Amino acid sequence: DIQMTQSPASLSASLGETVTIECRASEDIYNGLAWYQQKPGKSPQLLIYNANSLHTGVPSRFSGSGSGTQYSLKINSLQSEDVASYFCQQYYDYPYTFGAGTKLELK
Amino acid sequence: EVQLVESGGGLVQPGRSMKLSCAASGFTFNNYDMAWVCQAPKKGLEWVATISYDGSSTYYRDSVKGRFTISRDNAKSTLYLQMDSLRSEDTATYYCARDYSRFDYWGQGVMVTVSS
Repeated sequence: DIQMTQSPASLSASLGETVTIECRASEDIYNGLAWYQQKPGKSPQLLIYNANSLHTGVPSRFSGSGSGTQYSLKINSLQSEDVASYFCQQYYDYPYTFGAGTKLELK
Repeated sequence: EVQLVESGGGLVQPGRSMKLSCAASGFTFNNYDMAWVCQAPKKGLEWVATISYDGSSTYYRDSVKGRFTISRDNAKSTLYLQMDSLRSEDTATYYCARDYSRFDYWGQGVMVTVSS
């Protein structure tokens, strides 16, 4: 199975700040990577797919980058509504696997 | 608007069975693979199973192989998850999701609690 190592586990940032979350795959996943946002008590929502493509309706302050085994999610100009947990997921091979998540809080 | 609505969760004893359903609307159901993803309380996300658009292929995580069965009824735009021989570690919220490789739309989730 492909292991997804996500960091940091938690993050505290101020409004307007830029934050970056990293995800490392245990092998090359050829950009088969998605990022999800999950707010408390809600279902996950797709943000980014194919490592760097923005899903429909997602604000442009979210962006994804990376290749091979290293990927990142960047949130520019942090807004209060961005407080949530974020998960990466590889879909290059079964079983699909997720990172453990990053909990983003406001400082 | 894409909508996925799960039903069928609740409390069940270890070793018993439960069947989840997911009613889909707002898209052409039989054009898409579909999946179940679970999340244990206060834990991360785990992919459970995927079924191809026509039901001809199914894929499962190892821990549920032989116990869970994913199926679909394209005439009713409904996805199912039959869960047999349930264990305490199956306790989780189960989400139905459209599987376009990434999970682009999710249901609201249904809680399954396995306990005596």
